[in-house]
Amino acid sequence: DAGVTQSPTHLIKTRGQQVTLRCSPKSGHDTVSWYQQALGQGPQFIFQYYEEEERQRGNFPDRFSGHQFPNYSSELNVNALLLGDSALYLCASSRDGAGGNTEAFFGQGTRLTVV
Amino acid sequence: QKEVEQNSGPLSVPEGAIASLNCTYSDRGSQSFFWYRQYSGKSPELIMSIYSNGDKEDGRFTAQLNKASQYVSLLIRDSQPSDSATYLCAVNPNEKLTFGTGTRLTIIP
Repeated sequence: DAGVTQSPTHLIKTRGQQVTLRCSPKSGHDTVSWYQQALGQGPQFIFQYYEEEERQRGNFPDRFSGHQFPNYSSELNVNALLLGDSALYLCASSRDGAGGNTEAFFGQGTRLTVV
Repeated sequence: QKEVEQNSGPLSVPEGAIASLNCTYSDRGSQSFFWYRQYSGKSPELIMSIYSNGDKEDGRFTAQLNKASQYVSLLIRDSQPSDSATYLCAVNPNEKLTFGTGTRLTIIP
């Protein structure tokens, strides 16, 4: 049973560029959430996708956008990259319908460095 | 007040002893609580979930929840060097995880 997979694992981009990160959820999961983790901090919620719609959004600017496909996989796009966007980007998948009592599993993350 | 608070540590515990990690949260409507373990440079790994007041045991790990005090803890018995990691407390008040900053745990051989 494949777990959550993310690609790429590492990425270096130049300030002002755009980046797309990808995530395939664990088998049987239909909900994908994205988190940003800066060094020494806990993961911060960016947004969550369910049924191909953005269901919730954290306190991130519109430069951060996403998409969910019919097979439940998801993309995170970041435009106009800033140095401060350098972080570990984590995708978590879960199964909807458990009233919040649902376990979320993380992929291995994408380490983004903006130079 | 932060939504989820943890002592950042570092917490040093001798091998074989009990490690005790604590977490408080601010949203009284929170219904589900999780502990994740994160090794340096890796992603968080779910080790415990708890939804009801009381204790939940899984192997060497015991999670404790007290909703009245808005307090969650994780006990690790017979600590091993492989338990050295950062432990993240997460709360799920509305379908999204809110994390603390994590407690760095070091097990001393």
